[in-house]
Amino acid sequence: ETGVTQSPTHLIKTRGQQVTLRCSSQSGHNTVSWYQQALGQGPQFIFQYYREEENGRGNFPPRFSGLQFPNYSSELNVNALELDDSALYLCASIQRPGNTEAFFGQGTRLTVV
Amino acid sequence: EDKVVQSPLSLVVHEGDTVTLNCSYEVTNFRSLLWYKQEKKAPTFLFMLTSSGIEKKSGRLSSILDKKELFSILNITATQTGDSAIYLCAVERHAGGTSYGKLTFGQGTILTVHP
Repeated sequence: ETGVTQSPTHLIKTRGQQVTLRCSSQSGHNTVSWYQQALGQGPQFIFQYYREEENGRGNFPPRFSGLQFPNYSSELNVNALELDDSALYLCASIQRPGNTEAFFGQGTRLTVV
Repeated sequence: EDKVVQSPLSLVVHEGDTVTLNCSYEVTNFRSLLWYKQEKKAPTFLFMLTSSGIEKKSGRLSSILDKKELFSILNITATQTGDSAIYLCAVERHAGGTSYGKLTFGQGTILTVHP
């Protein structure tokens, strides 16, 4: 297992609600990336946080936002949830600079009803 | 827009068979190609291939990278039921700007190994 932990593991929300997902990076890793994985698809990059700032964003609307804290842990917030937001949300951490692979957490399974 | 295409999308084999999974890519300023195995939730790292390391091997798994033809293959010999999983291929651009560490994944190959 990697040292990346995510919470909660499962979550059910109603359309229109807001959700916060949390991620603790592997020890020593200062960069956190978030991915959305819909059923039957590969993970899609949402955004990345480095030094507490957003450092790269994929093709996701502004209602997807995040934070990184001084201890490198991170949150993903999604406002105005839509049914299509139902997916597995994965957090990955890496150390910058370096040539290390990304380590993934177990993910949060979000279901929007 | 970076692009990764994996094939086949699914594969069913019997224990002991050898399988080859394919990954083709288009990426600006290529840095690395990574293979992950996803059994339940967390993708687990298998290999990273770069310009300085185009062939990797670990036990029954091996992978090569062809930077000229822009593809990679993942080979699994003497497959076991524990190899059943989704195999994901991803590419990364060179560091700089906002691309560092951003992985573009393919759709994955679902491998099922029957006893």
